[in-house]
Amino acid sequence: QKEVEQDPGPLSVPEGAIVSLNCTYSNSAFQYFMWYRQYSRKGPELLMYTYSSGNKEDGRFTAQVDKSSKYISLFIRDSQPSDSATYLCAMRSLVDGQNFVFGPGTRLSVLP
Amino acid sequence: DADVTQTPRNRITKTGKRIMLECSQTKGHDRMYWYRQDPGLGLRLIYYSFDVKDINKGEISDGYSVSRQAQAKFSLSLESAIPNQTALYFCATSANYGYTFGSGTRLTVV
Repeated sequence: QKEVEQDPGPLSVPEGAIVSLNCTYSNSAFQYFMWYRQYSRKGPELLMYTYSSGNKEDGRFTAQVDKSSKYISLFIRDSQPSDSATYLCAMRSLVDGQNFVFGPGTRLSVLP
Repeated sequence: DADVTQTPRNRITKTGKRIMLECSQTKGHDRMYWYRQDPGLGLRLIYYSFDVKDINKGEISDGYSVSRQAQAKFSLSLESAIPNQTALYFCATSANYGYTFGSGTRLTVV
């Protein structure tokens, strides 16, 4: 079993839809969670960063962490064609120097 | 200029050749990383460096070597390239949290 799992997609939604992207993980020590967006032929860019459990909102994006279920989500409201990209989750434990482990990414297409 | 610059952007090389991928950053961060990305496997860590005198192997370091020439420069070498090293390679830097990635080098080994 991989340490971090994501449905690779592709996920296609109409413009304006609410999108839910998810990751599951196996390491209960993970405390820091990130979401990255990667456009084609570009490097990943940081979207959201959360620590431990709970929700964090930034504009149309909401990151949610459920540590009891080892499950994190990224919600995109009022999705736009410009949101079409691959979304990667990443996480690590509190151990100093521990590097982030990335999920394989979910490819999202928002259709006009 | 980009915060993290990788050269070359694309490279085709032959099996057995030595190749170097270069990375420079203007963020002033001490921590630098090399990742490779393969479809379905995501980003996997090859090497990382927390300062100029500190080099560490990542998850998949076999067949690769690195050099940290300065705080701002971190290069990745494939001593004898093989076809299964065909991938997208990313350099990244970090400070307290989160990474800043370069635009990547698409390497094809034929």
